[in-house]
Parts: sequence; C-alpha cells; structure tokens
Amino acid sequence: GDSVTQMEGPVTLSEEAFLTINCTYTATGYPSLFWYVQYPGEGLQLLLKATKADDKGSNKGFEATYRKETTSFHLEKGSVQVSDSAVYFCALVVSSGNTPLVFGKGTRLSVIA
Amino acid sequence: EPEVTQTPSHQVTQMGQEVILRCVPISNHLYFYWYRQILGQKVEFLVSFYNNEISEKSEIFDDQFSVERPDGSNFTLKIRSTKLEDSAMYFCASKGTGNNQPQHFGDGTRLSIL
Repeated sequence: GDSVTQMEGPVTLSEEAFLTINCTYTATGYPSLFWYVQYPGEGLQLLLKATKADDKGSNKGFEATYRKETTSFHLEKGSVQVSDSAVYFCALVVSSGNTPLVFGKGTRLSVIA
Repeated sequence: EPEVTQTPSHQVTQMGQEVILRCVPISNHLYFYWYRQILGQKVEFLVSFYNNEISEKSEIFDDQFSVERPDGSNFTLKIRSTKLEDSAMYFCASKGTGNNQPQHFGDGTRLSIL
C-alpha cells in the first residue's frame, strides 16, 4: 500500500540554522504531497503542498520540491526560529475525491535560542 | 479564514461508556474525515464521508464506531463502548471539491479513557 517515511526525530537546532527533514514515499498512483505542522497543543495545519513532479511548495520560509525520480519531498528552511518548534508531518494522497491522507510518523523539531 | 472546529477539546470518559465527538466542517466543504493520533504515534485514518454516507473506512473503524451528519453543519464520531486503547487525539478534517484541494484539520479532541 501507499506509505510515507520520514526521518526519525527529535531534531534539535540552534536558531538560524538550516533545516532539512527528509521524506520519501511509495505510492501506487500519482500522489499529491503535503507537509502539515502541529504546534504544541494545537491541531494539524497545512504548511505546503505540491501536486505534480518538480513542483515546489513554499510557505513561511519553508520549501519542499516534489521529486518523482527519487520519490522524495524533503522539507527545508534556510534559517529556523524558535517559533518553528513543532512536529512536522509529511503526507500524501493518491487520486482526488474522498481518498484519505497517508501520514508519516512525524518529526519533532526543537529550535533553541 | 474558515476553520474546522471540534468540541470538546478534552473528553474524559469511563471505560465502557459511549462518547460523541463533534465537528463543524468548513461550510462549503463536502468531504469529511476522522483521523486519530495515539500519543507519540502517527496520524491514522479512521473514516471518510461524502454525500451522507461512508466512503471508506480503515480496520480501526470497527462496529464500535459510527459517524453521522445529523444536520447541515455538524459531523459526529460516536464510540459506542469505549476501551482504554481508544485514548487518543481525534482529528476531524474537511475538504472542498475541485482538484488537489487539501484537507483542513480541526484542533482535535483529546479523548482519555479511564
């Protein structure tokens, strides 16, 4: 079946460091890819998305590029802030309609001042 | 910006009791979902709902679970006889029509079974 694999956390970085959270996927069809973020005590918020190969999703300084050849959708940010501390989930959905999201296990990021 | 709202934010229930988790999806959305997240684990799909019926359900969604859209705005998840292992965060999500629309999530209901 479809699946998402994320790098294990937790990830601890100093403020202004460069962030990469790896995400790879397997899918039977042509998926759309997403990053969701969960801040402490809150729900899941869509951070960015990409729907076809070579698309780059971006939001709040975060970026991820849909790489079909490597089946990857790595999340990057050039300079993290303390407020970026959260759990980040990579997810995919194959086809449109009512298909459910398939999530990775999540990666906890802690940014220290 | 429109939001998915869930109530209550925290529910504590005795094992064996029935519990109803409530969700108000975004008003013009037509696809609805429930997911759960056991503490420290991944977010798992429970059920999807469209056009007043279940579209898909996972193995987790057994006979103890049911969903309902009792009126034009609410979308509920009922657990008939709760078990300790039902303790989790339950997320409701909704999605609009149109290609590649993302699912929008509520803040979740933390369910604690004693």
